[in-house]
Amino acid sequence: ETGVTQSPTHLIKTRGQQVTLRCSSQSGHNTVSWYQQALGQGPQFIFQYYREEENGRGNFPPRFSGLQFPNYSSELNVNALELDDSALYLCASSREGRTNEKLFFGSGTQLSVL
Amino acid sequence: KQEVTQIPAALSVPEGENLVLNCSFTDSAIYNLQWFRQDPGKGLTSLLLIQSSQREQTSGRLNASLDKSSGRSTLYIAASQPGDSATYLCAVLEGGKLIFGQGTELSVKP
Repeated sequence: ETGVTQSPTHLIKTRGQQVTLRCSSQSGHNTVSWYQQALGQGPQFIFQYYREEENGRGNFPPRFSGLQFPNYSSELNVNALELDDSALYLCASSREGRTNEKLFFGSGTQLSVL
Repeated sequence: KQEVTQIPAALSVPEGENLVLNCSFTDSAIYNLQWFRQDPGKGLTSLLLIQSSQREQTSGRLNASLDKSSGRSTLYIAASQPGDSATYLCAVLEGGKLIFGQGTELSVKP
């Protein structure tokens, strides 16, 4: 158990719809990162939030957006869903600047877009 | 652009065998390298973290090494068990984000 919780665990949407995924970070962690993992691939960095602001972004279009709340929990929103958005979405929590500490990942949300 | 590669993509061994998983990266300007375990459809469990200034880390039957100059890391698993069956991912921390390899799927047969 990492202390990072994600909801929901599974989700089925149709193309063009919007989705919101949620993540609660581990106690004491102030930074949340989101990753997308397609089947058979390694996770790809989407973005990171620190102090309620985006603090780095990977190669994902603007229809991927996020929020971080004062309690450090976070949301990932995806608009205008496409079939290729089907993937496991992982969030990870950490403490900003602590490069000597492991990242703790949640169990992920499996998103299927039909 | 940093690229992380893992070889082999899949590996099947009999129980009790010692094995080595390989990871290579193209840019040595990393903060650390981490090895993760992932069970099917699940999240990632961090196994070992090696700081850029370190050469190796050990935890139980696991030993990970890091050679920044050659851009390589290895994960050594001693006396493998069926419970070790999973996908193993390496990742380098660069600019605040993890860059992952595609993983090695390990199957340990009883």
